Amino acid sequence: DAGVIQSPRHEVTEMGQEVTLRCKPISGHNSLFWYRQTMMRGLELLIYFNNNVPIDDSGMPEDRFSAKMPNASFSTLKIQPSEPRDSAVYFCASSSPRGDTQYFGPGTRLTVL
Amino acid sequence: GEDVEQSLFLSVREGDSSVINCTYTDSSSTYLYWYKQEPGAGLQLLTYIFSNMDMKQDQRLTVLLNKKDKHLSLRIADTQTGDSAIYFCAETSPRGGGYQKVTFGTGTKLQVIP
Repeated sequence: DAGVIQSPRHEVTEMGQEVTLRCKPISGHNSLFWYRQTMMRGLELLIYFNNNVPIDDSGMPEDRFSAKMPNASFSTLKIQPSEPRDSAVYFCASSSPRGDTQYFGPGTRLTVL
Repeated sequence: GEDVEQSLFLSVREGDSSVINCTYTDSSSTYLYWYKQEPGAGLQLLTYIFSNMDMKQDQRLTVLLNKKDKHLSLRIADTQTGDSAIYFCAETSPRGGGYQKVTFGTGTKLQVIP
């Protein structure tokens, strides 16, 4: 299995631009998580999907952030408009129906200038 | 709410044992995990323990759980330079409907000195 796939691996953009991060979970996994990691705040859960439905989005910072999961094999996290404080590494993770372990992707390093 | 605490930094000499500690607050935790993050990479699951276990050993790794004190530790025997990384403790607790919420600690940076 290829593991969780994220793209792009690095993104540099200017303040105000729209940013879209992509994730392909491990085949057969029905839960998907988006995390943000910064030096100041550590690892934060942004949103959790189960069977393509958002279950817990309490960690989404504000309306500028949105996430979708149109099918079991694809999810996006969109930031519009982006701000310099959004600079972080964004991780996607997935877990199987048993739900006991999350497998992380390599992350997308986002820099907003 | 849930809280998971770790010390930020640990330095050991190559060949010595490393012990990374973690405390958590949620008494309903079901699983507790140790993840390893190397520079520029995602989190890699090292091992996990179910909350009704006291100890789990996996090659050089030993996990000890004191559920009464809500204390989890990871011991790495014969620490190697390749073990240098950030180690995250995490716990899951049920939130209904089959949802297990995961809370991560702040991570402990392990530096192995040759």
